[in-house]
Amino acid sequence: GQQVMQIPQYQHVQEGEDFTTYCNSSTTLSNIQWYKQRPGGHPVFLIQLVKSGEVKKQKRLTFQFGEAKKNSSLHITATQTTDVGTYFCLPFRNRDDKIIFGKGTRLHILP
Amino acid sequence: DAGVIQSPRHEVTEMGQEVTLRCKPISGHNSLFWYRQTMMRGLELLIYFNNNVPIDDSGMPEDRFSAKMPNASFSTLKIQPSEPRDSAVYFCASSLTGRSYGYTFGSGTRLTVV
Repeated sequence: GQQVMQIPQYQHVQEGEDFTTYCNSSTTLSNIQWYKQRPGGHPVFLIQLVKSGEVKKQKRLTFQFGEAKKNSSLHITATQTTDVGTYFCLPFRNRDDKIIFGKGTRLHILP
Repeated sequence: DAGVIQSPRHEVTEMGQEVTLRCKPISGHNSLFWYRQTMMRGLELLIYFNNNVPIDDSGMPEDRFSAKMPNASFSTLKIQPSEPRDSAVYFCASSLTGRSYGYTFGSGTRLTVV
């Protein structure tokens, strides 16, 4: 399977601070998806990025796909307690590639 | 649509017993995935089906695990015999085509083998 690293593994932020998680691949990706899993819940699809340099926004969340299509990031502006959870990336390389989720970044919000 | 439906939500069983987990995918989705989640190993893909046919089962831990998809609306994951190290949350997910759209996950089955 492809090599992908998601960093950081954990992140504690004060409520209102920004948060960013990164997904880095050693090889070029065809597309990448992002998911959020609340504590005790199941992963929920957030977005898919396909194009080189693509930027998409969902309210306070900004998703980017690198120009080389090897890296992606999820940025949350002014975190809220509802943002608590684990954020996973799901990179796709080619049709025969094994589908492997990143290890995830667990976000804790300090009140 | 009710989403992906998994049953049971929780299962506690004794080592050596057979366990069967069930999944009903979203109607119209043609790909189905079984994942296992633990703190140590994260989300692991066990097996996935496309149009009811198993495509990749390389993630199935060993012969004790088996999965079937007899029709487009039902799949099972069976563990026989179960072992304590099988304790985890098992998720089923479905999607259209398997790549172009996001996966919709069920609520999961929390399995505890004692």
